[in-house]
Amino acid sequence: DAGVIQSPRHEVTEMGQEVTLRCKPISGHNSLFWYRQTMMRGLELLIYFNNNVPIDDSGMPEDRFSAKMPNASFSTLKIQPSEPRDSAVYFCASSWTSGNLGEQYFGPGTRLTVT
Amino acid sequence: RKEVEQDPGPFNVPEGATVAFNCTYSNSASQSFFWYRQDCRKEPKLLMSVYSSGNEDGRFTAQLNRASQYISLLIRDSKLSDSATYLCVVNSGDKIIFGKGTRLHILP
Repeated sequence: DAGVIQSPRHEVTEMGQEVTLRCKPISGHNSLFWYRQTMMRGLELLIYFNNNVPIDDSGMPEDRFSAKMPNASFSTLKIQPSEPRDSAVYFCASSWTSGNLGEQYFGPGTRLTVT
Repeated sequence: RKEVEQDPGPFNVPEGATVAFNCTYSNSASQSFFWYRQDCRKEPKLLMSVYSSGNEDGRFTAQLNRASQYISLLIRDSKLSDSATYLCVVNSGDKIIFGKGTRLHILP
């Protein structure tokens, strides 16, 4: 069974460019989470979807960040325009709500570098 | 007080020893708790849930102390492969919060 799939695995871009990160959750999971991880701040929840609907986006840093989930098998996180301080590893995770939201399965992450 | 706090370590422990670390949380209404393991440059992976009665999975034992608001993870007979960062996770119903992790190095 395939786990959570993220693409690209690595992204290097220049400041001001648009960046789009993609995620395919585990089939049958109905909750999806986007996280950002840095050495300084640890793992931060950016946004959480349940049944494709954004439930909590309080972690989204600012308007430059947006996330969509057009269907149960796909989500995107977009940064426009990107800034050097956005450099981090971005993880997508999914879970089954009828279980426990804390039992999440993470993708391999996208390592973003903004120069 | 931070919502979830962990000693960042590193804990340097000889192979075969027993090691334990705690994670404190500030919200007394927190409902469920977990330990995750994260290897260097990898994604976090669920290690075990933490039940009120405590639970054990092989060499790993997790416990919850609601009165003092902390969870613990104990690793017996530590292996080199146990070297990783251990993240605690607290679910307060409306929020899921990851600790920053405790780094563990098992020394040969």
